[in-house]
Amino acid sequence: QKEVEQDPGPLSVPEGAIVSLNCTYSNSAFQYFMWYRQYSRKGPELLMYTYSSGNKEDGRFTAQVDKSSKYISLFIRDSQPSDSATYLCAMSPDGSSNTGKLIFGQGTTLQVKP
Amino acid sequence: DAGVIQSPRHEVTEMGQEVTLRCKPISGHDYLFWYRQTMMRGLELLIYFNNNVPIDDSGMPEDRFSAKMPNASFSTLKIQPSEPRDSAVYFCASSFAGTSGGYTQYFGPGTRLTVL
Repeated sequence: QKEVEQDPGPLSVPEGAIVSLNCTYSNSAFQYFMWYRQYSRKGPELLMYTYSSGNKEDGRFTAQVDKSSKYISLFIRDSQPSDSATYLCAMSPDGSSNTGKLIFGQGTTLQVKP
Repeated sequence: DAGVIQSPRHEVTEMGQEVTLRCKPISGHDYLFWYRQTMMRGLELLIYFNNNVPIDDSGMPEDRFSAKMPNASFSTLKIQPSEPRDSAVYFCASSFAGTSGGYTQYFGPGTRLTVL
């Protein structure tokens, strides 16, 4: 079993839809949770990060962490064609357990149709 | 800051040739990572360095792959001899342990390698 599981999709939605992207993980030591966005033929770029449990909002994007269920989500409101990309979750432990290495999900490819 | 710089952006070579990919991390970052990305296998970590010292090279596929980091501002990934199955996009990323965000990594634009 992989440490981080992410449905690769692809996921296709109409413009304006609410999108939900999810990852599950098995290592309870993970404390930092990140979402990266990768446009076609570009490198991944950090979209958001959260520490421990709870929600974090940034414009149309909301990151949610449920540590009890070992489940993280990224919600995109009022999705736009420009949101079409691959979204990768990533995570790492905190403190002395942090080796500097991130554990990435496989990535979910999202297409928002006009 | 210019971000992580990689060169070349594209490389086309013939099987058996040596390939060298280059990376300049963000100034002040103390971690450097080399990844390979393909449609089939996604993003794979090949090797990473901390303060120029290799920490984990368990992702390096074979002895044909080698990586060096002679100083804090430069790293190379070398494939010798190259094979068609090495065709992929190779990313370099860097991070800094002292910032918030759990050592968030910043990626370069990648090198698209095609081995004929």
